[in-house]
Parts: sequence; C-alpha cells; structure tokens
Amino acid sequence: KNEVEQSPQNLTAQEGEFITINCSYSVGISALHWLQQHPGGGIVSLFMLSSGKKKHGRLIATINIQEKHSSLHITASHPRDSAVYICAVRSGGGRGGADGLTFGKGTHLIIQP
Amino acid sequence: EPEVTQTPSHQVTQMGQEVILRCVPISNHLYFYWYRQILGQKVEFLVSFYNNEISEKSEIFDDQFSVERPDGSNFTLKIRSTKLEDSAMYFCASSERVAQFFGPGTRLTVL
Repeated sequence: KNEVEQSPQNLTAQEGEFITINCSYSVGISALHWLQQHPGGGIVSLFMLSSGKKKHGRLIATINIQEKHSSLHITASHPRDSAVYICAVRSGGGRGGADGLTFGKGTHLIIQP
Repeated sequence: EPEVTQTPSHQVTQMGQEVILRCVPISNHLYFYWYRQILGQKVEFLVSFYNNEISEKSEIFDDQFSVERPDGSNFTLKIRSTKLEDSAMYFCASSERVAQFFGPGTRLTVL
C-alpha cells in the first residue's frame, strides 16, 4: 500500500512569494497527480506527471521517480491561489487506466494580500 | 470544455435509507471512479469501473455499495441502508486513459 506524505500541512505566505509544496510516496508509481480543492469542495486537476517537469502558467510541477518525490511550485503567488493542494498517486499495478488514486492529506495554502 | 457532472449537489437522507448518487462522465472516457472525502479527512478511493464491470475496489467498498452504468452516459453509486458514518463528499471521476478528471462532488448528509 502506498503512503503519500505532503509537506507542509499548512502554509501562509504573502502575495508575490514563491511557493513550494512537497509530496513523497513510499512505493513506485505509474503517475502522480497534483489537484486543487477550493473551500466549496470541488477538485480540479492541475497536473499529471510520470517523469520530469510540467509548467502551466504560474504553476510548475516536478517529479523525481528515483527519489519518490514531487514538488509543486507557484511563482508570483496571488490570493486567488489560496486553496488546498493535494498530491495523489497511481500505483504501477499494470491494470491499465482503472487504477484508483491514493491521496495525500493536502496542503492548506493561504496567500495574504 | 467537457467536464464531469454530478447530481445532486447535496443529498440529505435518514439513516437506513438508500441513496443513489449520479454522475455523467466525459463522453469519450472509458474508465470511471468513485471517491469519498469525510469532512476534515483525505480523499479515499472507493471503486473503479471499466468495460461494464468493477475493475478495482477498496476495502471501504463493501456489500453496502454498488455501482452501475445504466445507460451510455450515467454512472451511479448506490448506498444501501445508509449509516451516519456514510456522511461525506462523494466525487466521481473519469479518464480516457490515465489522467483523471473530477466532478464537483455530492455532499451526502445522513441524519
């Protein structure tokens, strides 16, 4: 069973700061998701990674498969980035697309103006 | 942009009643999932569904739960004889291959 750990659990920063959220997992995976959850509860997919790095706007996600670690970075943070950021992994069970995800507890991010 | 939809957004039921949560996955997706999130806790996998049958299920998904794709568009989660501890947000997701897309969730409250 994969254990997914995120750090920090809570993060408060000032607008404009560079933000880093970390995720580590215990067992090899086939893919890792970064998700965003707003106070209303809905979940939005930000990235899916299996190797390397992806960038979308001010968001950057990286993954190191050997070290079983991923990071989510936010550049020029803004109060609208305030949300819970969740790391979720798909184990390499080889059963095709129907593998359920294992989730971390999330990082509560608050960006103050 | 295509999206996963879920109905209702909020369901209140009495303990012991049956509820059906509905999801419309993205139309060309082949894999479907249900997850739940108890208030203040992390999201947990319940079940995945492919080719009209359950592909994988967690230990949470016991005989109280069932899933069905009754037609070409809907994907449902039925909870029989609801318990207080079934109160949670239930998320449906779908994927064409690996990347999963989530619906907005149904908040289930069992009284």
